[in-house]
Amino acid sequence: GQNIDQPTEMTATEGAIVQINCTYQTSGFNGLFWYQQHAGEAPTFLSYNVLDGLEEKGRFSSFLSRSKGYSYLLLKELQMKDSASYLCAVRDKGSGTYKYIFGTGTRLKVLA
Amino acid sequence: DADVTQTPRNRITKTGKRIMLECSQTKGHDRMYWYRQDPGLGLQLIYYSFDVKDINKGEISDGYSVSRQAQAKFSLSLESAIPNQTALYFCATSASQGANSPLHFGNGTRLTVT
Repeated sequence: GQNIDQPTEMTATEGAIVQINCTYQTSGFNGLFWYQQHAGEAPTFLSYNVLDGLEEKGRFSSFLSRSKGYSYLLLKELQMKDSASYLCAVRDKGSGTYKYIFGTGTRLKVLA
Repeated sequence: DADVTQTPRNRITKTGKRIMLECSQTKGHDRMYWYRQDPGLGLQLIYYSFDVKDINKGEISDGYSVSRQAQAKFSLSLESAIPNQTALYFCATSASQGANSPLHFGNGTRLTVT
C-alpha cells in the first residue's frame, strides 16, 4: 500500500535548526516534494528530490534516501515566519498514472 | 495576480443543496486536480484531469463530480451537500512534462455545510 508518515508537531527556537522527517512506502516512487502551508492558506512548493542526496535552497535543504524510504527537510536560522505546516508528498506511478500522495503534515512552532 | 484562482473563497450552504466550486488557471498547465483538506487527515485527492477530455476519480470521489470545460477551467460539484463535506478545498495544477513538476495550488475554498 501507500503510506507517508511525518511527526504531527514540532517546536523550535528562533535562530535554531530543525529537521522534519518523512518516511514513505509507495509502489512506484517518482519523486518527493516538500510544501509549506501557513494556516488557512495554500501549500507552496519548497523542494524536490528524486535522486539520493541533499538539495540545498538557501535556508532550506531536503534529503532523500530511496533505499530507506526516508526524507527530511532541514530549516536553518529559523525565523518566526517559518511557523507553518510542512507537507511531505510523494509522486507515485502506481497503476500507470502519476499521483501525488500527501502526508498529514508537521506543524512547526517557532518560539522567540 | 494569482496563477490558480478559486471561487468562491468561502461558502456556507445547507444540507441537500447543489453547489459548484470553480477553478481557473493562467499557467498553461494541462493537468488539474481537486483536493480536500481536513484537520489531521492531510490532502486527499477527489478528482483529477490530464486533458480536456480526461476525467479520473481520486481516493474520495463519492458525492462529487467534476467538469473540465477548457484547458484552463476545472469545476467541482457537490450534487447534494452533506455536513461531512465541510472542509477546505484546493484546486491545483501541474505541468505534464518534466520530472520536477510540483503542484501549484489555488488559495482554497472554505466550504461549510450546515
